[in-house]
Amino acid sequence: EIVLTQSPATLSLSPGERATLSCRASQSVSSYLAWYQQKPGQAPRLFIYDASNRATGIPARFSGSGSGTDFTLTISSLEPEDFAVYYCQQRSSWPRTFGQGTRLEIK
Amino acid sequence: EVQLLESGGGLVQPGGSLGLSCAASGFTFSTYAMSWVRQAPGKGLQWVSTISGSGGSTYYADSVKGRFTISRDSSKNTVYLQMNTLRADDTAIYYCARGGGLHGDFLSRYFDYWGQGSLVTVSS
Repeated sequence: EIVLTQSPATLSLSPGERATLSCRASQSVSSYLAWYQQKPGQAPRLFIYDASNRATGIPARFSGSGSGTDFTLTISSLEPEDFAVYYCQQRSSWPRTFGQGTRLEIK
Repeated sequence: EVQLLESGGGLVQPGGSLGLSCAASGFTFSTYAMSWVRQAPGKGLQWVSTISGSGGSTYYADSVKGRFTISRDSSKNTVYLQMNTLRADDTAIYYCARGGGLHGDFLSRYFDYWGQGSLVTVSS
């Protein structure tokens, strides 16, 4: 099973700042990695797929990068609605696995 | 508009059984894999199971293999999760999600649409 480790567990930033979230895989997942956003009481929402492609309707301030074992989700300038929990997920092999999440909170 | 509506959650005793349903609309159901993902209270996301668009292939997390069965009915645009021999650690919100399979466009190989979830509580 591929283990995804996200860091940091919690990130405290202010609106307008740049956010950098990390996801590291225990073995190579090529570019088969996605990022999801989840807000309290809501279902997750797909934001980035195949490491660097924005899903439908996702603002350009969100970008993904990386391949192999190291991936990054960057939010260039935080908006109030961006504060949430973010999960990475791999589709390289079964079982599909998620990272434990990074909570992005308002400082 | 893609919509996924789960039903069937509730309270069940340890060792009991429960079935979840997910009614899909707004897309050609038979061309997409469908999946179940769960989230224990206050915890992260855990993939549970995926079924291919044809229904011919199914995949399970080790933690549910042999106890849970995923199936689909294209005439009803519905995917099911039959859960047997339930344990306390199966307590979670169960989300139905489109995608997660091996085929189709790259976007739909991930979980690109989600239902609002159905709470399953396993407790005596």
